[in-house]
Amino acid sequence: GAGVSQTPSNKVTEKGKYVELRCDPISGHTALYWYRQSLGQGPEFLIYFQGTGAADDSGLPNDRFFAVRPEGSVSTLKIQRTERGDSAVYLCASSLRRVSYEQYFGPGTRLTVT
Amino acid sequence: GQQLNQSPQSMFIQEGEDVSMNCTSSSIFNTWLWYKQEPGEGPVLLIALYKAGELTSNGRLTAQFGITRKDSFLNISASIPSDVGIYFCAGLNAGGTSYGKLTFGQGTILTVHP
Repeated sequence: GAGVSQTPSNKVTEKGKYVELRCDPISGHTALYWYRQSLGQGPEFLIYFQGTGAADDSGLPNDRFFAVRPEGSVSTLKIQRTERGDSAVYLCASSLRRVSYEQYFGPGTRLTVT
Repeated sequence: GQQLNQSPQSMFIQEGEDVSMNCTSSSIFNTWLWYKQEPGEGPVLLIALYKAGELTSNGRLTAQFGITRKDSFLNISASIPSDVGIYFCAGLNAGGTSYGKLTFGQGTILTVHP
């Protein structure tokens, strides 16, 4: 079946611009996660959704970052006033149940802020 | 916050050799996972460990959950060229406010020479 998909695969934007990154989880998966991966590092947790609500947003670095999942399926990560330090690969993962140990990752969106 | 130290950072081996890598934590996890990531892709789950002392195999891969719950090991036997990639350990503490938040190590880059 279809895995987690993310769009766009690459995004180049200028410093100060607003960007939206989209994640389509595996059909039927109730939990959705966003991670950020900098070059040469492991992914770092940003936010976790169970259904429509953000159950844990402790990893969001500051208030420029926001994520929504209005219908409990597709999620959008929104970054305002982008900075060069926001450049990274943004990964989305989904799992079948709340607190599932098996998270399935998408290919990521590579964000470059110039 | 919690950090995972993964070693070695990189390995260059000959096809057919066995590989060992490990991961240590400053704090306890109740689940350990090992992922593999290839260029342009998200991490793919290889093995999940749920109990301290547990030893689990998946084909040529064997992983162990340390009895202190602060470490884990991954072994790959008889390596082949398609084992090339970056291997990440990840710890998870289900329950409380952590939910499905994974904490990743920095990764071990594996290169296999034919």
